Amino acid sequence: AQSVAQPEDQVNVAEGNPLTVKCTYSVSGNPYLFWYVQYPNRGLQFLLKYITGDNLVKGSYGFEAEFNKSQTSFHLKKPSALVSDSALYFCAVRLSGSARQLTFGSGTQLTVLP
Amino acid sequence: GAVVSQHPSWVICKSGTSVKIECRSLDFQATTMFWYRQFPKQSLMLMATSNEGSKATYEQGVEKDKFLINHASLTLSTLTVTSAHPEDSSFYICSALTSPPDTQYFGPGTRLTVL
Repeated sequence: AQSVAQPEDQVNVAEGNPLTVKCTYSVSGNPYLFWYVQYPNRGLQFLLKYITGDNLVKGSYGFEAEFNKSQTSFHLKKPSALVSDSALYFCAVRLSGSARQLTFGSGTQLTVLP
Repeated sequence: GAVVSQHPSWVICKSGTSVKIECRSLDFQATTMFWYRQFPKQSLMLMATSNEGSKATYEQGVEKDKFLINHASLTLSTLTVTSAHPEDSSFYICSALTSPPDTQYFGPGTRLTVL
C-alpha cells in the first residue's frame, strides 16, 4: 500500500522568506509524486510533479520540489514567499504503471505573514 | 489548458431528493475521471473512479447505489447523490486524468448542503 505523510498541519512564514512544506512517502515501487494547492472553497490546482529524470522539479508560481529517493521525501519549496501563497497544500503519490489513483497527504496549511 | 469544470458550484436540497453534479474536461478528453469527497479541514477521500463507457469502480465503503456515476462521453462524468440525507452534505470534487502525461486536473468543487 502507498501512503503520504505531511508532518506539519500548519506552517507560518514571513513574507519574503523562503518556505518549505514537507512531504514523505511510502510506496513499493517507483513513485509519481505531485503537489497541489487548494484555496478556500475551491478545487485543487496542480503545482508540479515528479515522474522521472531531474530530482529538482520546477512548477507553477515559483514553486519547486526536490525528489530524494534515499529519504523518500518530496518537499515543496519557494525562495521568497508571498502573502498570496497562503493556502492549503497537498502532497500526493501514485505508483507508476496502470493504477492511476492518487493517495493524498493530510494537507498543510501555509500562512504567509505580511 | 487542462481545465475542468463542475456544475453546480453549490446546491441546497431537501432530504430525500436527488442531486446531480456534472464534471467536464473543457479542453481535453479524459477516459478516466475521479470523484472525491472532502470534509472541512480534511484531505480528499477518493469515492470512485469513473471510466468512459464502463462501470465506475467504487472505493470500499462507498455505496454505489447511493452515489451513481455515469461517464457517458470523453468529456463528461456525472455524480448523482440519490435520496440525499444531511450526512451527505460535503464538498464534492472531481478530477480528470490527462493521458499522457497522466496528471489529474481538478474541478472547482461542488458544495452540497442537504437540509
